[in-house]
Amino acid sequence: EVQLVESGGGLVQPGGSLRLSCAASGFTFSDHYMDWVRQAPGKGLEWVGQMTNKVTSYTTHYAASVKGRFTVSRDDSKKSLYLQMNSLKTEDTAVYYCADVGAGYWGQGTLVTVSS
Amino acid sequence: DVVMTQSPLSLPVTLGQPASISCRSSQSLVYSDGNIYLNWFQQRPGQSPRRLIYKVSNRDSGVPDRFSGSGSGTDFTLKISRVEAEDVGFYYCVQLTHRPYTFGQGTKLEIK
Repeated sequence: EVQLVESGGGLVQPGGSLRLSCAASGFTFSDHYMDWVRQAPGKGLEWVGQMTNKVTSYTTHYAASVKGRFTVSRDDSKKSLYLQMNSLKTEDTAVYYCADVGAGYWGQGTLVTVSS
Repeated sequence: DVVMTQSPLSLPVTLGQPASISCRSSQSLVYSDGNIYLNWFQQRPGQSPRRLIYKVSNRDSGVPDRFSGSGSGTDFTLKISRVEAEDVGFYYCVQLTHRPYTFGQGTKLEIK
C-alpha cells in the first residue's frame, strides 16, 4: 500500500522558515518524480514544486509564487522528500501535501500557518 | 502558464441523475510523446485528493464505472452517469503536460 506521511507543519511568523518532510513507502520512491501541492483554507489546489528522479538529474521545478523562497529536495536512501520554506508570507498559509500528482499518490497533508 | 478553466464551479445534482464537468486549457495539452496528461481528482470533505481519471479517459482501479473522462486538445469532460451520495465533494482537473502543473479552480458537487 502506498503511503506518504508529511510532518513538520506548524505556526511560524512572517519572514520565518520551516522545513517539511515526507516519508514514502509502498512504492519504488527513487523512480518517481515527487511534488508538493498546497491548499489554502477554503481554496483550491496549487502545485508548489517538484523534484525529478536520478535518471533526469534530480531537476527541480517551482511555481512562480514560491520560486526563490522554497526548495524541494529528496533523499532516496531514506525514501524521503523535503520542502524548505524560507521568507514565509501570510499567503503561504495552507495544507501542504506531498504527492506524485501524475501517479495519483497523495499524503494526508500538514498544516502550515504563517501569522504573527 | 497553462490556465485550466472549469465549469460549472457549483453543481447541484439530484441523486441518480447525471453530472458533467468541463475543463478547458489555454493551450494544447498534447505532449511530445503524443499523450495528453490531463487527470481528474475528487476531494471529499476533509480528505486528500483521490485520482479518478488519468490521461484523459483512463479510470483508476477501484473507481466506479459511473465515472468517465473524455476530450482532446484543449477541451475535456468528466461525467458521472448517476450521481450517488458519496460523490459529494470537489472535483479538479490538472494538466501535467507543461510545467508548472496547473489545476482547475475546482467544481463543488452537491446533492440537490
